[in-house]
Amino acid sequence: NAGVTQTPKFQVLKTGQSMTLQCAQDMNHEYMSWYRQDPGMGLRLIHYSVGAGITDQGEVPNGYNVSRSTTEDFPLRLLSAAPSQTSVYFCASSYPTGTGRIEAFFGQGTRLTVV
Amino acid sequence: GEDVEQSLFLSVREGDSSVINCTYTDSSSTYLYWYKQEPGAGLQLLTYIFSNMDMKQDQRLTVLLNKKDKHLSLRIADTQTGDSAIYFCAESSGGYNKLIFGAGTRLAVHP
Repeated sequence: NAGVTQTPKFQVLKTGQSMTLQCAQDMNHEYMSWYRQDPGMGLRLIHYSVGAGITDQGEVPNGYNVSRSTTEDFPLRLLSAAPSQTSVYFCASSYPTGTGRIEAFFGQGTRLTVV
Repeated sequence: GEDVEQSLFLSVREGDSSVINCTYTDSSSTYLYWYKQEPGAGLQLLTYIFSNMDMKQDQRLTVLLNKKDKHLSLRIADTQTGDSAIYFCAESSGGYNKLIFGAGTRLAVHP
């Protein structure tokens, strides 16, 4: 019962490099999201998807791209890494319970350092 | 806009009660949540409360909601060292499944 799987767990990038953070879920959830966690700022929404082929921007989308070609996968791409993107990144999948309550499941996180 | 605020740090003695507070601004919030993040791990849902409730109790956890003041609290009775973690308050107001998180409160439990 894997849930939400993120890879890699740790990554160091040089400024200007690009990379993709992977996220996969095996719960057949329609909704998936990417958050970044910074000290004193909690979790901020980067991008989200409400289903395969549909994505939208969250609170802090600049410098990141996403795509959703399948229900299971929701990769986050850093186009040209900057030190300001040093953070812990969390992927989440969720489904509507029908009552307005959100049932969300989080991955273990990817700790990214940009030097 | 939507905003959720929490104090950043709380230190308690083992066996005492912990109270973590949260305020939110979105009056249309339908559910409010408490998540726990242990070191090096993702977030796990601890409990939630529907906006028309005042209180919810779940074993050692008590959630109090003051909708008029937009204030939410989480009380942990008989706090143990295993409760040391970051606790996030979050709210949702329907729509696409969007959760808005506070900055998180780091709870430190000492002997």
